[in-house]
Amino acid sequence: DAGITQSPRHKVTETGTPVTLRCHQTENHRYMYWYRQDPGHGLRLIHYSYGVKDTDKGEVSDGYSVSRSKTEDFLLTLESATSSQTSVYFCAISEADRVGYGYTFGSGTRLTVV
Amino acid sequence: KQEVTQIPAALSVPEGENLVLNCSFTDSAIYNLQWFRQDPGKGLTSLLLIQSSQREQTSGRLNASLDKSSGRSTLYIAASQPGDSATYLCAVSWRNTDKLIFGTGTRLQVFP
Repeated sequence: DAGITQSPRHKVTETGTPVTLRCHQTENHRYMYWYRQDPGHGLRLIHYSYGVKDTDKGEVSDGYSVSRSKTEDFLLTLESATSSQTSVYFCAISEADRVGYGYTFGSGTRLTVV
Repeated sequence: KQEVTQIPAALSVPEGENLVLNCSFTDSAIYNLQWFRQDPGKGLTSLLLIQSSQREQTSGRLNASLDKSSGRSTLYIAASQPGDSATYLCAVSWRNTDKLIFGTGTRLQVFP
């Protein structure tokens, strides 16, 4: 989607290896989010950020860490990938402190852990 | 716990039908509600955003309504077309949180 890009788009990795996914925005939005999408579970929030160096956990944060050193970049790291982390990962941005804000999503990263 | 539920999980209709997708949520103190469309293997496309002070929003053949008191929203699709086939997701953000919670979606198929 315009203004938000995710990389890589696809990745296959081995169990036990660290993996970092990147979300980059050009909208200067304060809020950024990482979700995972799995069949039967819908989209679930992993972590989110409400500013540079300000992050918080979502509902499925175990095994994941995040970092935000610049407004435009939000990194999601799987510290030691497991097969249960095979999923499609979506990044989103919003201006959650502005009335009438909405959310914009990236195109997703399909991660396979073998 | 704040939750979002969508019914039905799947729907198959012939082209031309008017249809309604349902979304229900716990805790009426919402900030806004957003409907998204997702095509297979693709990302999410925002369709309509309803703020808590609004009752409905319209875009083309789509109309979304919001009833906070009953914890419900409906997405009405008029004169459905095969190109409307996709999964439709409802998502809610509440006043005491910066997070967006999703329903599990309704998978719609419109056949010619």
